[in-house]
Amino acid sequence: QLQLQESGPGLVKPSETLSLTCTVSGGSISSSSYYWGWIRQPPGKGLEWIGSIYYSGSTYYNPSLKSRVTISVDTSKNQFSLKLSSVTAADTAVYYCARHAYGVVNAFDIWGQGTMVTVSS
Amino acid sequence: QSALTQPASVSGSPGQSITISCTGTSSDVGGYNYVSWYQQHPGKAPKLMIYDVSNRPSGVSNRFSGSKSGNTASLTISGLQAEDEADYYCSSYTSSSTPYVFGTGTKVTVL
Repeated sequence: QLQLQESGPGLVKPSETLSLTCTVSGGSISSSSYYWGWIRQPPGKGLEWIGSIYYSGSTYYNPSLKSRVTISVDTSKNQFSLKLSSVTAADTAVYYCARHAYGVVNAFDIWGQGTMVTVSS
Repeated sequence: QSALTQPASVSGSPGQSITISCTGTSSDVGGYNYVSWYQQHPGKAPKLMIYDVSNRPSGVSNRFSGSKSGNTASLTISGLQAEDEADYYCSSYTSSSTPYVFGTGTKVTVL
């Protein structure tokens, strides 16, 4: 049973960099037909796709965040990570990592439980 | 790329059927059969309910069904149950600069 688990600081100061890691267990991050993505949800609001990465390192990002986002992958640790720079209060949200299937299934089919990140001094 | 448009709320009595709409454009919903639907209970992660317009993942009740007509996709819940009370989000692949977009979300209330 594939599982994803987010980890990282729950509080980040304005102008600093938010860093989160998603650990994949019960399966390999190097599987074909899957990207690995980050999605966020501000309190009381809807979902926003941040970006996705393939195990080879190929990435694509939401243009609205692209200048501040870096997603990377570490296949040896079965992990992928998110860095969001120059954060403001508007970046306060629950951050989810998810498996991003494509091909036979085209959807975010497995999600982590999410981690709340608050941007505040 | 704007979010796909969903009604803010939909309600129904137990046993009834309800339908949630998800309206986009020919660049997203209308142009691709890559619409998915997610159920989210309070404080929980979203759960995939429908993928590729009308396909159910293993383990999802057959009371949930999806369809599409033109630029509007729909999720129908038949035989509404108390446990179906949740927020529902659609999502679609798009040909715009943002390859994936979510809907605005719909709160389903079981009366």
